[in-house]
Amino acid sequence: GIQVEQSPPDLILQEGANSTLRCNFSDSVNNLQWFHQNPWGQLINLFYIPSGTKQNGRLSATTVATERYSLLYISSSQTTDSGVYFCAVALGGNKLVFGAGTILRVKS
Amino acid sequence: DSGVTQTPKHLITATGQRVTLRCSPRSGDLSVYWYQQSLDQGLQFLIQYYNGEERAKGNILERFSAQQFPDLHSELNLSSLELGDSALYFCASSLLAGGIFTQYFGPGTRLTVL
Repeated sequence: GIQVEQSPPDLILQEGANSTLRCNFSDSVNNLQWFHQNPWGQLINLFYIPSGTKQNGRLSATTVATERYSLLYISSSQTTDSGVYFCAVALGGNKLVFGAGTILRVKS
Repeated sequence: DSGVTQTPKHLITATGQRVTLRCSPRSGDLSVYWYQQSLDQGLQFLIQYYNGEERAKGNILERFSAQQFPDLHSELNLSSLELGDSALYFCASSLLAGGIFTQYFGPGTRLTVL
């Protein structure tokens, strides 16, 4: 089946810093979503981005489908950005395949 | 708030017992998905329903079953519970079936089996 790899596995930032999270996937996909899991366990949709670039406030994402990777940019990080960031993909069918996640800790 | 609701938020039960988790999809969404998040397996797809019918199956144990009712809410039934079934169970919904549709996740049900 399709493989999803996220890097880095762990990231510690000082408040105000910028970061880039990466998601590599092993096959063509027709759905790619980024999620933030907050400390309470809730999975929050960030982007639906099977290709192209999107921006939402301090967050933006780019997916290069032909090269099978996606990047999530976080600018001017805040402590509330802490949590786990997941990339998930779907190939043709319906199920999302999740990566292992990137644990982000933002220190004040 | 994603618009997907799940009850209960927390569930503590004993081995061998049976529990039912409930999910109401976003208004207008016809497709419901169940996922399990555990420490050792990560986030895994269990099963999908579309407009009342099973659409896709993932790594769902035979002790687990699900259904989607005419009002589109869904229930996940877990029986003969084992310690290893302790996990966070998420329901998600999308407008239609098919990978091109955004899946919106509920807040999850945290199951603890003692």
